[in-house]
Amino acid sequence: DAKTTQPNSMESNEEEPVHLPCNHSTISGTDYIHWYRQLPSQGPEYVIHGLTSNVNNRMASLAIAEDRKSSTLILHRATLRDAAVYYCILRDAPLGNQFYFGTGTSLTVIP
Amino acid sequence: DTEVTQTPKHLVMGMTNKKSLKCEQHMGHRAMYWYKQKAKKPPELMFVYSYEKLSINESVPSRFSPECPNSSLLNLHLHALQPEDSALYLCASSQEFSRVNTEAFFGQGTRLTVV
Repeated sequence: DAKTTQPNSMESNEEEPVHLPCNHSTISGTDYIHWYRQLPSQGPEYVIHGLTSNVNNRMASLAIAEDRKSSTLILHRATLRDAAVYYCILRDAPLGNQFYFGTGTSLTVIP
Repeated sequence: DTEVTQTPKHLVMGMTNKKSLKCEQHMGHRAMYWYKQKAKKPPELMFVYSYEKLSINESVPSRFSPECPNSSLLNLHLHALQPEDSALYLCASSQEFSRVNTEAFFGQGTRLTVV
């Protein structure tokens, strides 16, 4: 299964945009790129997903490189409630829905 | 209702005890999952059920025994655990095993301590 690489930690100032990168150089054509986040003492929660095109929802935007070997989760205005571990996950149709988590990025938001 | 409910929230058990963790969802999802998460580590997949049948067992020791009695309920039976099994146990569900363009919903977890 394809792997993802993320920085261990990042910091952002409150109310500023945050760009969380993810490398997935061995991605296959059928892999969907998913992002989940885990707030302290909670279960993971879905953030966004995409295949080829950039995606927007109420929580964030997902920018996918043209070659699909990397993607960036964009939080437009970080709040203290966005402090969490963010996981980039690849999900492949033949392998199904296993949701293998990588190490993730721990985001600290500075007031 | 988009919730996955896990009970109990906390559990302390001795190494000779038998206990069960419960997970429930009423979203009509047909794929359900158990994960184990140690402190400051990502969740590790343990089991996947698809249409109430065990699809994936990630070489989990037999002291962990999953059960899916119906499409809404997932149990994890625990017996003769070791202190190193202390962790947060997470349950998740999604629409179908093969639908990778849909989201999964996670419960808040059961914090298990083995003494």
